Amino acid sequence: EVQLVESGGGLVQPGGSLRLSCAASGFTFSTYWMTWVRQAPGKGLEWVANINQDGSEKHYVDSVKGRFIISRDNAQNSVYIQMNSLRADDTAVYYCARDRGAAAGYAHWGQGALVTVSS
Amino acid sequence: DIVMTQSPDSLAVSLGERATINCKSSQSVLHTSNNKNYLTWYQQKPGQPPKLLIYWASTRESGVPDRFSGSGSGTDFTLTISSLQAEDVAVYYCQQYFRTPLTFGGGTKVEIK
Repeated sequence: EVQLVESGGGLVQPGGSLRLSCAASGFTFSTYWMTWVRQAPGKGLEWVANINQDGSEKHYVDSVKGRFIISRDNAQNSVYIQMNSLRADDTAVYYCARDRGAAAGYAHWGQGALVTVSS
Repeated sequence: DIVMTQSPDSLAVSLGERATINCKSSQSVLHTSNNKNYLTWYQQKPGQPPKLLIYWASTRESGVPDRFSGSGSGTDFTLTISSLQAEDVAVYYCQQYFRTPLTFGGGTKVEIK
């Protein structure tokens, strides 16, 4: 069974940093793109970033470019997102997601990690 | 970026009746090399992560009831719930998988009338 478990969320002051982790199990981690999607309180879904199988290709939404860094460790079956220069509008539940392959959507999601940016 | 526009924002449908949600993309999401539309639909219930319903615009994910169907091509897509059940109350999102950033629509809230 595919499992994705996020950790590292919490309260951080504006301008601060936080690193989220997503531990994956139940599949061959190194063969899948991995993605972070976020959802601000009461709002819709926003795709944040993804990373290819060996970490050589990464993509970001414009609003986080230059502030967030996605990475992965295939030996640890984990994907990370380092969030720097955090702003109030980064407050959201951050989901780790894995697609089903062949550009066919995200079949697997974690339960999410809440990040609150506030003074 | 490809902008995804859903309509309506919300709708109330009687149990057993049809619910129809529309999604329009600002650019075609049809991949001409394989003739697949890179358009997915998700269902999200409160306090839960999204659940994949439909991919490639019209292919139902395993385990999804057949009352859910997707249609459309190019820039215009539709999710139909043929006979609304109480457990279908949720927010539904479309997403394009054609080009990064892989943008979502704003969501459609489905309620019981």
